[in-house]
Amino acid sequence: DGGITQSPKYLFRKEGQNVTLSCEQNLNHDAMYWYRQDPGQGLRLIYYSQIVNDFQKGDIAEGYSVSREKKESFPLTVTSAQKNPTAFYLCASTFVPYTEAFFGQGTRLTVV
Amino acid sequence: AQSVSQHNHHVILSEAASLELGCNYSYGGTVNLFWYVQYPGQHLQLLLKYFSGDPLVKGIKGFEAEFIKSKFSFNLRKPSVQWSDTAEYFCAVNPNNNAGNMLTFGGGTRLMVKP
Repeated sequence: DGGITQSPKYLFRKEGQNVTLSCEQNLNHDAMYWYRQDPGQGLRLIYYSQIVNDFQKGDIAEGYSVSREKKESFPLTVTSAQKNPTAFYLCASTFVPYTEAFFGQGTRLTVV
Repeated sequence: AQSVSQHNHHVILSEAASLELGCNYSYGGTVNLFWYVQYPGQHLQLLLKYFSGDPLVKGIKGFEAEFIKSKFSFNLRKPSVQWSDTAEYFCAVNPNNNAGNMLTFGGGTRLMVKP
């Protein structure tokens, strides 16, 4: 089945450690996105990528980094510079030009 | 920067009541508009979308939305809600200008339907 896979579903890390969240899609979509979801704030865009080896910052990119070495994969690294990393992270993908976004199941990151 | 506002953060309705959730956006150009739903424990799913044409859009599960360009609004409606509609609803906007492929979301509305 085609879709977007995020792993792991739950992730616990100690404060000060970097952590990488995985996102893989087999929909042959061109663009991929990372969002952060916090209660009452909706989904805020962290980074997005329209093509391989290219990506742009979203509204809240500070403390995060991404790479897009393959069309299917768009991993997100939450660095120790992110001041409040505990959140629910969603990955999405679409065709370009834009059609509709398909979302993964999300990763809940808890930093202790 | 464009923004999307959903004015109702929490809505509580009884079954069979009518639903209208507001969505306003600030972008001045042409836009693509979406409503997504997130049921408890599930991933975001598309309810309906507007790209062009008839401003009254019908989606899944009896939902519809009306695009009113002059009001920069895309309100979601359902004539009679069910307990299974309990979920969080997100309005989203994508500027139709090929300058980027961003999708901006509103803050979400949490709907609870009482049986």
